[in-house]
Amino acid sequence: DAKTTQPTSMDCAEGRAANLPCNHSTISGNEYVYWYRQIHSQGPQYIIHGLKNNETNEMASLIITEDRKSSTLILPHATLRDTAVYYCIVSRYGQNFVFGPGTRLSVLP
Amino acid sequence: NAGVTQTPKFQVLKTGQSMTLQCAQDMNHEYMSWYRQDPGMGLRLIHYSVGAGITDQGEVPNGYNVSRSTTEDFPLRLLSAAPSQTSVYFCASSYEGWETQYFGPGTRLLVL
Repeated sequence: DAKTTQPTSMDCAEGRAANLPCNHSTISGNEYVYWYRQIHSQGPQYIIHGLKNNETNEMASLIITEDRKSSTLILPHATLRDTAVYYCIVSRYGQNFVFGPGTRLSVLP
Repeated sequence: NAGVTQTPKFQVLKTGQSMTLQCAQDMNHEYMSWYRQDPGMGLRLIHYSVGAGITDQGEVPNGYNVSRSTTEDFPLRLLSAAPSQTSVYFCASSYEGWETQYFGPGTRLLVL
């Protein structure tokens, strides 16, 4: 499975959009991009996933570049409860998930 | 639904002891998996199962055994605990495939 690169940490003001980038330059054609988050040592929580089209659900939007080498998770109106570690994972059909260190997002009041 | 439950929440073992970490789900999910998370790190896959009677190894299987006799339960056995197995262990399940995994609250294990 392709590896991902994410910034170690990011800050975002409460109420603003949080844009979390992820690079996956070695992604192959049948690999999906998944996003999970982990709030304060709880079990990870699924957010969204996509193959090549942009995706949106009640939690977030996922923007994947046309060449699929990078993506951005967007939390449209971040709240303090969105403070967490966000993991970008690339996997074929969800097999052999590899959770890297992720991005620690701090939402500031 | 209780979702994914794990017991115990916290356990202290001495080197060489054995124990079983319990994981159960009441969502009728076929796929279940065990991960470990070391301090400041991401999660690493230990073992997984795609249905009752079927298990396979993940990234870091050494020192752990699993079995899946029922759809609901997926216990993880530590055969002879070592300090390197000090970690937080998460169990997860999903209905079809691995895309949307539901994680349990975790078991914190300290091996002295």
